[in-house]
Formats: sequence, structure tokens, C-alpha cells
Amino acid sequence: NAGVTQTPKFRVLKTGQSMTLLCAQDMNHEYMYWYRQDPGMGLRLIHYSVGEGTTAKGEVPDGYNVSRLKKQNFLLGLESAAPSQTSVYFCASRDWVQETQYFGPGTRLLVL
Amino acid sequence: KQEVTQIPAALSVPEGENLVLNCSFTDSAIYNLQWFRQDPGKGLTSLLLIQSSQREQTSGRLNASLDKSSGRSTLYIAASQPGDSATYLCAVRTSNAGNNRKLIWGLGTSLAVNP
Repeated sequence: NAGVTQTPKFRVLKTGQSMTLLCAQDMNHEYMYWYRQDPGMGLRLIHYSVGEGTTAKGEVPDGYNVSRLKKQNFLLGLESAAPSQTSVYFCASRDWVQETQYFGPGTRLLVL
Repeated sequence: KQEVTQIPAALSVPEGENLVLNCSFTDSAIYNLQWFRQDPGKGLTSLLLIQSSQREQTSGRLNASLDKSSGRSTLYIAASQPGDSATYLCAVRTSNAGNNRKLIWGLGTSLAVNP
């Protein structure tokens, strides 16, 4: 099992550009999450999904959109990137029963 | 509003020492508490999960305790090794119903174990 994978690992964007971060999990988990991690701020939840075709807002959803068209994939989109979105983005997943979240390796995003 | 605090923010110890990392939370009505490890530039790895009805969980050299009434959890690492160097994060899951249970994160303790 690959667990949770994230694509890309690193990206540099200019202000106003758009991009999509891809998260994939092969554990058949129902729940998937997108977090951002910033120094001194800790992990903050952006959006999450409780199953295929569902999405919900987390703590800091503004400027981001998500889609869960397939159970194994959770996409995070930035329509118009801003320097404030420079961060490390983590995807995580878990199943119905276990509370343990499994994390991907992260995507480092720099917005200039 | 649930808040999670981890003290100290950073800790440096010589190899072989037993050490304790602290996590405190403001609302005792929790569903569970989890400890994670994060290596530099990497994702998070779950270490231990304690349900609200449990007092402690053990895995190898790690032991996590939970005292809901005082709003505290400790992660005990026995016989520390340089490979234990990482940031350790504590996260509390709130006791709201169903999908409204949130995971509230501490900022972590950065541990350095020196050979």
C-alpha cells in the first residue's frame, strides 16, 4: 500500500495563477482532509470530505475549492493564488471506525 | 472553545534520558486525544490514540496518559535515542456529534536527542 500520496511535492506560483493539488489514498477510507501548516499557527483544516461526492468547509476555507469525485481522490484547488497561501499543505484520510488519521508527505507551495 | 497547548515548545536532551512531553486542553469534554510525530519536511505519523474512557496507551518505548479532569496528557519516551528527534504534536478530537467532531491541534514540541 502506498498510503496517502500528494502531487506535486513542491510548486512555485505567481500571484493570480491557479493550480490543483492532488491527494490519493489506497486504503478505501471514507474521510479525507486538507490542512495547511504555517509556522506558529499549527495545522489548520481547510476542507474535508466524509465520502465520495461530499465536501465541507473547515476552519480556513476562503480562497480554496475542493472536489471528491472518486473515493480515493481529494483535489484542492486555488483559483487565484495569493502570497498568503504560501504554506505546506497536507492531505489526510481515515476510515469510519478508526479515528487515526493517515497523512501524506505534504506539498510545499510558494506564491510570489 | 477548545484550545490545545504544548509546553515546552522545544526540548534538547542527551541520549538515554527518559522524558515527558506535555499537552493541555481547556475543555475536558473530549472524544479522544492523539499524539503524532512529524519529521522535518515530512508528513505526520500517528503514535498513540487514547479514547476518552481510557487512562493510558503504550507502544514500545512510548506511553501516553490522559487525565480529562485536569485537561492534561503526557507522552513519556523511555531511553530516548537520536532517532526520536522530531516534532511531537498533540491533537484533541471534540465530543460533538458525528461529523461535527473536530480535531484541535497543538503547536508541537520540537525534540532533539543528542548522541
